[in-house]
Order: sequence, then structure tokens, then C-alpha cells
Amino acid sequence: GENVEQHPSTLSVQEGDSAVIKCTYSDSASNYFPWYKQELGKGPQLIIDIRSNVGEKKDQRIAVTLNKTAKHFSLHITETQPEDSAVYFCAASRTTTNAGKSTFGDGTTLTVKP
Amino acid sequence: EAQVTQNPRYLITVTGKKLTVTCSQNMNHEYMSWYRQDPGLGLRQIYYSMNVEVTDKGDVPEGYKVSRKEKRNFPLILESPSPNQTSLYFCASSLQGPPYNEQFFGPGTRLTVL
Repeated sequence: GENVEQHPSTLSVQEGDSAVIKCTYSDSASNYFPWYKQELGKGPQLIIDIRSNVGEKKDQRIAVTLNKTAKHFSLHITETQPEDSAVYFCAASRTTTNAGKSTFGDGTTLTVKP
Repeated sequence: EAQVTQNPRYLITVTGKKLTVTCSQNMNHEYMSWYRQDPGLGLRQIYYSMNVEVTDKGDVPEGYKVSRKEKRNFPLILESPSPNQTSLYFCASSLQGPPYNEQFFGPGTRLTVL
């Protein structure tokens, strides 16, 4: 089955700096890669996603890049703010066999210091 | 308001006492899924349902049962809970399920099995 590894497990940055979180996946058939943000006491919420036919996607301060050959994808947050502090999860899934199955990384706790 | 609701939000029980955690969505979503979240292990998928009467195992289905008799509800059943099922549980729903659409998560149910 799919295996998703996420690094780092914790990340601390100064307000205004950039933050990068990386994930690698094992199943070359995976073709959908979302990123979720989980604030304290709440359920995860989608912040950005990318499909395998796209190499990069950007939404204001957030961007995701995908390298299909190397089987890794990354979340980039620029100009970080204290409200970006949360746990971030990457995930991978596929449209073919086992469509509907979703594998998540172990999460990254991001702390933005004011 | 479009949402995924879970009940109860908190539950303390004893080993072997059958329990059900309910999940309901009001968005007419076809796909629903259950996850458990444990420290350092991220979100692990227990079961998912692509549509009414269609359910499939995720990565950690042992000790759990589900049913999908109607579109809006997807209860998680623990027939004989054990302490290793102490965890934070999330229900999620999606229009068509990953990889086609984002998942919307409920607020979580914190279960303690003594």
C-alpha cells in the first residue's frame, strides 16, 4: 500500500520568514496530493491541493510543488504569521485501485514566533 | 450551515462495552470516512464508504465496524473496545471522495477506553 513520509515533525520560524514542509510517497499511481491544516481542538481543513498533471500551484502565501519523478511534494508558506501556527498534514490518494483510500503523513507542528 | 457532526465529542468507557460514535453530514456527500489520530502517527484511515451500502477497509480496520444505510450517516461501531483504541477519531465527508474532492472533517471524538 501507499506510504507517506513527512518532514520535519516540528518546525519553528520567526514571523515573516518562510516555512517548507516536505512529503515523499511510495505509490507511483498516486495522483492527488492535498495539504490540510489542523488548529488546536479542531478537525483538519484543506488549505491547498495538487494533482499529478500539475507541477506547482499557488494560492496567495501558500504554494505546493510536486516532483513526480522523485515522488515528493512540498508545502511552502511565505511571510509566515502567528495564525499560521498549527499542525499540517500531507496526504496522497489515487483514482485507480483502492480509489477512496487516503494515506496521510504523520504531521508537522509549525510554530511561528512573533 | 454545511457541516459534519460527530457524537459524542468525548467518551470514557471500559474495556468490552460496545459503543457507537455517530457521524452525520448535511452536504449530500457520497463519500464518508473514519480516521483515528494518535500522537506522532498522523491520521490513519479506518474505513471509508464511496456511497450508500458500499464500505471498504482503510489501513487500520481491526476492531471496528461501520455501516452506511443512508447517505448522511456513517456510524463507527466498536463491538468490544480495548485500551489500544483510545484515540481521537475524525469523521470526514466528500462530494465524491479523494482524489476527486477535498474532505471535510468533523470536530473529532476523543475516546478513552479504560
